[in-house]
Amino acid sequence: SAVISQKPSRDICQRGTSLTIQCQVDSQVTMMFWYRQQPGQSLTLIATANQGSEATYESGFVIDKFPISRPNLTFSTLTVSNMSPEDSSIYLCSVDTTYGYTFGSGTRLTVV
Amino acid sequence: QQQVKQSPQSLIVQKGGIPIINCAYENTAFDYFPWYQQFPGKGPALLIAIRPDVSEKKEGRFTISFNKSAKQFSLHIMDSQPGDSATYFCAASIKSGNEKLTFGTGTRLTIIP
Repeated sequence: SAVISQKPSRDICQRGTSLTIQCQVDSQVTMMFWYRQQPGQSLTLIATANQGSEATYESGFVIDKFPISRPNLTFSTLTVSNMSPEDSSIYLCSVDTTYGYTFGSGTRLTVV
Repeated sequence: QQQVKQSPQSLIVQKGGIPIINCAYENTAFDYFPWYQQFPGKGPALLIAIRPDVSEKKEGRFTISFNKSAKQFSLHIMDSQPGDSATYFCAASIKSGNEKLTFGTGTRLTIIP
């Protein structure tokens, strides 16, 4: 199955700042997914990113807060903008492969 | 409505026992039902998945039972070990339509020696 590398693995950020999370896949994939997992909770889809088109956001998530780039078939970024303590979560990227949906190890974000 | 309900929220089983985690769904268009295992500080890892055309699938010590008419599926872990202690998530999607995964709320499983 695909190997996904996420950077950074964790970060502590000041409120009001922005953080960009990178997701690199070792094979070309059509769709990449960005999830948020709040402490002790399940996974919630933020958006779906297709190469060459605008990302599709789920209800409750907006592009101004979570801009996404998808410059090619192996890479995507998610930016968490104007952060507040409520944004403290694990952010995960995922891809759909022949073997099923595979997840990166996540970025643990703490906003202080 | 795209919901997947998972129970129990937490489960404690003695080593060698068979923990069972249950999920129920509403959307009859779902055609792919995976289970994920997540250890602290790690991303979810795919354990096993089933399509609705079979009623059971086994991979090693993990078994999915699927009841299409009841819209329910469950995970059984045979001969459970302390290393199986993790959070387990069921999920569902319309894979044929490249749809997103909808996750259950998760079950924190603890296997005691």
